[in-house]
Amino acid sequence: NAGVTQTPKFQVLKTGQSMTLQCAQDMNHNSMYWYRQDPGMGLRLIYYSASEGTTDKGEVPNGYNVSRLNKREFSLRLESAAPSQTSVYFCASSENPGQIRETQYFGPGTRLLVL
Amino acid sequence: AQSVAQPEDQVNVAEGNPLTVKCTYSVSGNPYLFWYVQYPNRGLQFLLKYITGDNLVKGSYGFEAEFNKSQTSFHLKKPSALVSDSALYFCAVRDWGGANNLFFGTGTRLTVIP
Repeated sequence: NAGVTQTPKFQVLKTGQSMTLQCAQDMNHNSMYWYRQDPGMGLRLIYYSASEGTTDKGEVPNGYNVSRLNKREFSLRLESAAPSQTSVYFCASSENPGQIRETQYFGPGTRLLVL
Repeated sequence: AQSVAQPEDQVNVAEGNPLTVKCTYSVSGNPYLFWYVQYPNRGLQFLLKYITGDNLVKGSYGFEAEFNKSQTSFHLKKPSALVSDSALYFCAVRDWGGANNLFFGTGTRLTVIP
């Protein structure tokens, strides 16, 4: 099992460019999440998908869109990148929605630099 | 609202000595608490969690955490630190809202000195 995988590992964008961050999990998990990590701020939830076919906003959704393509894949799109979106992005998954005891498993992250 | 605080940005400890990384929490219901570790240029790895039951939770790599309800704390501990334990440690609390996501602390960088 690869667990949670993310591509690309690193990306440089110019302001206004668009890109999609890809995430896939092979653990047959129902729920998937996108977080961003900024220095001194821990991780903050951008969007989540409790199950295939559903997505919801998290704490910091502005400037992002998501697509739950199927049970395995959950992508994050920046339509018009801004320097404030320079961050490290983590995808995570957990087995069941609504199960508060669930453990989330994280991917290796995508480091994004917006110039 | 749920939140956690990690009061120390940096903790230094000599190899072989016990280590403690502190975390306090604030929740409106029962606390579900987690510790994750992040090694350089890597994702977060799950260490342990407290759901209910024993106040001393044992986890991966010899780590354990002590849940203290009266002090609203969930400190991470290890009896004997290794240089390889040097990493960034995050405490997190489960959101009781619709997302069931995690609210993370700001992280504590642990450096184990040989």
